[in-house]
Order: sequence, then C-alpha cells, then structure tokens
Amino acid sequence: GEDVEQSLFLSVREGDSSVINCTYTDSSSTYLYWYKQEPGAGLQLLTYIFSNMDMKQDQRLTVLLNKKDKHLSLRIADTQTGDSAIYFCAERPTGTASKLTFGTGTRLQVTL
Amino acid sequence: NAGVTQTPKFRILKIGQSMTLQCTQDMNHNYMYWYRQDPGMGLKLIYYSVGAGITDKGEVPNGYNVSRSTTEDFPLRLELAAPSQTSVYFCASSFPPRSSGGRLITDTQYFGPGTRLTVL
Repeated sequence: GEDVEQSLFLSVREGDSSVINCTYTDSSSTYLYWYKQEPGAGLQLLTYIFSNMDMKQDQRLTVLLNKKDKHLSLRIADTQTGDSAIYFCAERPTGTASKLTFGTGTRLQVTL
Repeated sequence: NAGVTQTPKFRILKIGQSMTLQCTQDMNHNYMYWYRQDPGMGLKLIYYSVGAGITDKGEVPNGYNVSRSTTEDFPLRLELAAPSQTSVYFCASSFPPRSSGGRLITDTQYFGPGTRLTVL
C-alpha cells in the first residue's frame, strides 16, 4: 500500500532556509502536496506538484521532486516565525478517487 | 464563501454515547471526506463521498457511519463512542479530478477547522 514518511521535527533560525523532506512509496502518484497546519487549525494547502515536474517555485516556497528516488522536499526561503507550524506531505495515487495519503507531519520550529 | 465549516469545535463524550459531527461546505464540491488525526500522526481517511447519495469506506471506517443526502452536508456519526475514537476530526471537500487539454487538473482538498473529540 501507500506509505508517506517524514521526519518529525525541524528547528531553524529566523531568516535561514528550511528544507522539509518526504519520501513516498507509490510510484503511480499523480500529484504530491504540501499542507500547513497551524496550532488548533485545519490544514491549509501550500502548494502541489504534478508528477511529471521536478521543480515548482511559488514565492518563498520551492518544491523539488525526485521521482526516481520517490523523494519530495519543500524549501522555505527566509523562514519567518509565522512559518512555525506542522507541514504535511501527501500523495494522491492515480485512480484513487482523490483519496490522499498523508505523512505524519514535520513540526517546524523557527527560533530568533 | 464560508468554505468548509464543522461543528462542534470541541466535545467530550462518555463511553457508549453517540454523537454526530457536522460538516457543511458552500463551494458546490462533489467530493467530501472525513479524516481523523491522532497525536503525532498524519491524517487517516475514515469515509468519503463522491456525490449526494454515494459514500464509501476509507482506511479506518470501523465505529463510524456517514450519510450524504445533499451536496453541502456530510455528517459523521459515532454510535457507541470508545476511547480509541479520541482524536481530532477533519472534514474536507473538493471538486472531482478533471481534464483540460488532455492534462489532469488537481482536485485540491479544502479542510475545515476540525472537531476535537475526547471519549472518557
């Protein structure tokens, strides 16, 4: 079955770049997503990448996809204290009626 | 648009009680989903629906029931609450995947704020 793995915690100084990593197992995944969850809130879609792309940039966010290694990363440039949250990677395998498989989430702590 | 709304925000139940978690969306989305999030874990899909009158089981459906009588509403029912159902419950909705120019367009899921349920 599908499995999505992430490291649980990342601490970064304000102004530095953050890189959050994710590995997945289903090679038929069509789309891969990054969601952000702030304390006490629901999930907010940050960005997504189609499986035939290897990079997508959106303002401070850069998503890199290595399809051969089934590795996805999210880079946040100039990390701010407001970026402190849990970041979830999710995949949508082909033909699964939009069902997403989520990773366990990476808690990003931004220090001054 | 209010997006996806969920009620209640918090609830404490005793073992064996029942309750219904409400979810409503005003984006005319066909697809709706219920997830649960246990501490330190990712989201697990409980049930989903691809349209009014159609529901299907997700990864962890045991102990839950759903119905979808309208496009807007997708309530989740717990009949006999158990401590293992202590969790945060998220409802989400999306359009179905669709194509444009031969390319699949993503079906972004929009999430509600969650319901925190404790069963004692």
